[in-house]
Formats: sequence, structure tokens, C-alpha cells
Amino acid sequence: ETGVTQTPRHLVMGMTNKKSLKCEQHLGHNAMYWYKQSAKKPLELMFVYNFKEQTENNSVPSRFSPECPNSSHLFLHLHTLQPEDSALYLCASSQDRGTRANIQYFGAGTRLSVL
Amino acid sequence: AQKVTQAQTEISVVEKEDVTLDCVYETRDTTYYLFWYKQPPSGELVFLIRRNSFDEQNEISGRYSWNFQKSTSSFNFTITASQVVDSAVYFCALSEEYGNKLVFGAGTILRVKS
Repeated sequence: ETGVTQTPRHLVMGMTNKKSLKCEQHLGHNAMYWYKQSAKKPLELMFVYNFKEQTENNSVPSRFSPECPNSSHLFLHLHTLQPEDSALYLCASSQDRGTRANIQYFGAGTRLSVL
Repeated sequence: AQKVTQAQTEISVVEKEDVTLDCVYETRDTTYYLFWYKQPPSGELVFLIRRNSFDEQNEISGRYSWNFQKSTSSFNFTITASQVVDSAVYFCALSEEYGNKLVFGAGTILRVKS
């Protein structure tokens, strides 16, 4: 059983909907990440949080809004998405960036389809 | 800038064959770390191994082995006697000594047929 849990596993939404993806980690880590994995594209890092503070935003459109209320939980709020946003969204966690040789542990992802 | 190249997009083998997945990296750092992850159809990336740039010893774990060659900037992964359960996408990744960033390769799809 993974130490990183993502819900929901599958999500279908219209372009005008608002939905949220949730990620929870039980590994005692202080860093959390959102990645996007599209078909035939490399993994794209979207956001990084260290100790609840956002430390990386890779030019992600504002229709994706992350939230990290504590070191164990990470959300990705979605609104007015486009069909090209359909992808697998992966959450990961690790020790914070001050730790050497961080290993990131991933959840199983949320498969998002935007109609 | 760091970069990871996995030139093999897809490999198909028959069960019990050995298969090697290639990974070539670029970095200007003297200290760095290399990783392999497995992504089965369920979607989760599973951590397999982490090596640091100062340890060039090959590593073996069961049917898995890794060959790190600094001279050619490669960190190849071999599965011996492949099984159907090895079918997955395999990612090679690179990180600095400290920090949160993992630079991933594009991944290699491995299909093992019975």
C-alpha cells in the first residue's frame, strides 16, 4: 500500500466545472509535488511545496490552483479547464529540499478527462 | 542544465528474455543522484533505486541490475529473465545533491509477452 493517497482516481469534468484533486501522504514528509503526465509527453513538474510554502510554480496556468494546508495534504483546485488539460495528475512527497538525495514517493494519480 | 535521455521509446520482449533499458544523462554538477522508477498500468511511479555520482559499483537486486558508467554518463537498467509483471513504463531521473527537482527522461515502455 502506497504512503501517498490520491482521490479521486478518475474524474470527468466539463470545461465550466470546478473540481478539486486531493493528495495525502502518511510518510512524515515535508515536501509535496504536483506533476502532470500527458500522453506521449514527459512528466511535467507543476508545483512544489516545502513546509506548506510554495517554492516552485512551473508557469502553470491560473486555472490550476494548488493549496497546501499542512505538510500532509495537498490539493489541486481546477476551474474552467480545457480539453488539453486531460491527463494523469500525480502527487508525490519527499523530505524537504534541505535533505540530501531526496527520494520522491508517488501516489497512483488522478486520471482527468475534460470534455 | 540537467537532462535525461531515454532513447528507447518502446521495447517488446518475450518472457524469460533479458532486457536492458538505456539512460544517458547530462549535468555539470560533480555530485548528483540518479534514479529509476517503474510505472505499472495502475499509474503509480514506484521507486526502484537511487545512486550517487561517487558510487560506480554496479548494483544487483534480484532480477534487476544497474550499470552506472560515469565515463559515458549512462545509468542502464537490466532485467534478467523478464516476466509479464515487468511490463510497465520505466523512467530514469536525475537530481542535484540537494533540492526538490527531479529531471525525468521520457520513459521507456516495456512490454513482456508470454
